[in-house]
Amino acid sequence: NAGVTQTPKFRILKIGQSMTLQCTQDMNHNYMYWYRQDPGMGLKLIYYSVGAGITDKGEVPNGYNVSRSTTEDFPLRLELAAPSQTSVYFCASSLLAATDTQYFGPGTRLTVL
Amino acid sequence: DQQVKQNSPSLSVQEGRISILNCDYTNSMFDYFLWYKKYPAEGPTFLISISSIKDKNEDGRFTVFLNKSAKHLSLHIVPSQPGDSAVYFCAASAAGGTSYGKLTFGQGTILTVHP
Repeated sequence: NAGVTQTPKFRILKIGQSMTLQCTQDMNHNYMYWYRQDPGMGLKLIYYSVGAGITDKGEVPNGYNVSRSTTEDFPLRLELAAPSQTSVYFCASSLLAATDTQYFGPGTRLTVL
Repeated sequence: DQQVKQNSPSLSVQEGRISILNCDYTNSMFDYFLWYKKYPAEGPTFLISISSIKDKNEDGRFTVFLNKSAKHLSLHIVPSQPGDSAVYFCAASAAGGTSYGKLTFGQGTILTVHP
């Protein structure tokens, strides 16, 4: 099993550009999450999904969109990139609820200039 | 409002000694607590957890203690090893309320274990 994979590993965007961060898990987990980690800060939840077709906002959803059309994939969309979105983005999945062990991907380092 | 706080940004310990990482929380609805460990350029990995019905959980060299009245938990690593050098995140979840189904993370503590 590959676990949770994320692409790309690194990306530099110009202000106003858009992009999609990809996340795939092969563990047949129901729950998937997107977090961002700013320097010196903990992980903040952006969006999460409890199953295909069901998503909900986390703590910091503004400027992002998600979709969950399959169990495996949970892409994160940035429509109009802003410098405040410069961060490291982590995707995670868990079989059951948030208290179940979450398995994280390696992260995507995004810089918006 | 930082509901989960790790007030020590860093901790330096000698190999073989005990490492104690601390975490405080403010939300009384939190009833499940987890510790995650993160190496550079990798995602966090689960280390150990504790439910609010317990005050201690042990797994090998790692023990987590929970003091509900003080809203405080700590992670003890004994003995510490150089491979334990990483960032440690405390996280909390609630069975109800607005935090249901979500993890709230602390800022992390950088642990360095010197040989």
